[in-house]
Amino acid sequence: QQPVQSPQAVILREGEDAVINCSSSKALYSVHWYRQKHGEAPVFLMILLKGGEQKGHEKISASFNEKKQQSSLYLTASQLSYSGTYFCGTEMDTGNQFYFGTGTSLTVIP
Amino acid sequence: KAGVTQTPRYLIKTRGQQVTLSCSPISGHRSVSWYQQTPGQGLQFLFEYFSETQRNKGNFPGRFSGRQFSNSRSEMNVSTLELGDSALYLCASSLDSIGTDTQYFGPGTRLTVL
Repeated sequence: QQPVQSPQAVILREGEDAVINCSSSKALYSVHWYRQKHGEAPVFLMILLKGGEQKGHEKISASFNEKKQQSSLYLTASQLSYSGTYFCGTEMDTGNQFYFGTGTSLTVIP
Repeated sequence: KAGVTQTPRYLIKTRGQQVTLSCSPISGHRSVSWYQQTPGQGLQFLFEYFSETQRNKGNFPGRFSGRQFSNSRSEMNVSTLELGDSALYLCASSLDSIGTDTQYFGPGTRLTVL
């Protein structure tokens, strides 16, 4: 039930865009996105709920394809501060458990 | 508002011992969740407590248990420690539900089992 993220790692130059994907084999109720910097706790970015509701930071955008059980996080005009590991977290439609994805390491270089 | 606090921050134990970790959520938050983070397995959900009741549980053995008090503070206990229990243990608090609300993570407790 652990969602699969792709790519595993990506290196960007400042100003470039990136897309991180999260895919589940189970029907999802919600998808969360978090960023974790080395040695720090994960920090919330966005929640996407079944039915279309979204909660998150203005500068972050994401999508949730309910038919495919896939979510994508879009990082545009990347900044050095975007570097870190991005995790998606998913709650199944049946509830009960919360699973984090395998993580995507993103490095932004000058 | 004060953030999520966890104590202790670092802990060293030996195999067979037991350990109790503590988490104080953000004021007003009723849901507290616990996660284990390791380089090999990533972030894994342990359990969620809401209003003193365990609402959700991950796939961990019964050696891992928790509880929540009336003030929403939560403790996690691991009995008969194994080497593989060495990890960063994170707790997160949310207003009502980890499914629909933002989770705010604490700094974690780094547990080393020798």
